[in-house]
Amino acid sequence: ELKVEQNPLFLSMQEGKNYTIYCNYSTTSDRLYWYRQDPGKSLESLFVLLSNGAVKQEGRLMASLDTKARLSTLHITAAVHDLSATYFCAVDMRGSGATNKLIFGTGTLLAVQP
Amino acid sequence: DGGITQSPKYLFRKEGQNVTLSCEQNLNHDAMYWYRQDPGQGLRLIYYSQIVNDFQKGDIAEGYSVSREKKESFPLTVTSAQKNPTAFYLCASGRPGTGSGANVLTFGAGSRLTVL
Repeated sequence: ELKVEQNPLFLSMQEGKNYTIYCNYSTTSDRLYWYRQDPGKSLESLFVLLSNGAVKQEGRLMASLDTKARLSTLHITAAVHDLSATYFCAVDMRGSGATNKLIFGTGTLLAVQP
Repeated sequence: DGGITQSPKYLFRKEGQNVTLSCEQNLNHDAMYWYRQDPGQGLRLIYYSQIVNDFQKGDIAEGYSVSREKKESFPLTVTSAQKNPTAFYLCASGRPGTGSGANVLTFGAGSRLTVL
């Protein structure tokens, strides 16, 4: 059974600081997604990482994927209040034989303080 | 505009009643999904469907049922057999395959079900 774990589960950080959210998964996969969810809202796609070593950047967020370590990171640079949200990683189970089935991590609640 | 429409947004149910949550998409996506989200937790997969008239159980299918009679529609029924149905339910759709856009899920706004 595929397990997807994120840490930390909760992150309180000051504006202007840098931090990294980690996403570990337990079985082979070469496709990983990052989503953002604002309180009470739906999920919005942020990044799709398709291969080992993939790196994507958008604004103050940068995501990377290491399929050998089964690890993805979401790095936040010089945080601003608008980044406060819950961030989820999701892993495609294609590598485990179940096609097109996404398993989500537990989520990281990010609170950026002024 | 293309997107996913879920209804109702809020729903109250008495114990012992079945309720059906609607999900409609006009994105021409083949795959559709239902997830459940509990407060402070991640998303858990209930059911998913990759083509019309076919669907598979996810990790927490007990007490739920679905149908996929049309490509655009994937309704979820929460039956009285579901012991703890109060949750936020999210429907999503995506395009299966191996291309760069494959499986980037588009989510609906969600339906919040409360059992009284």
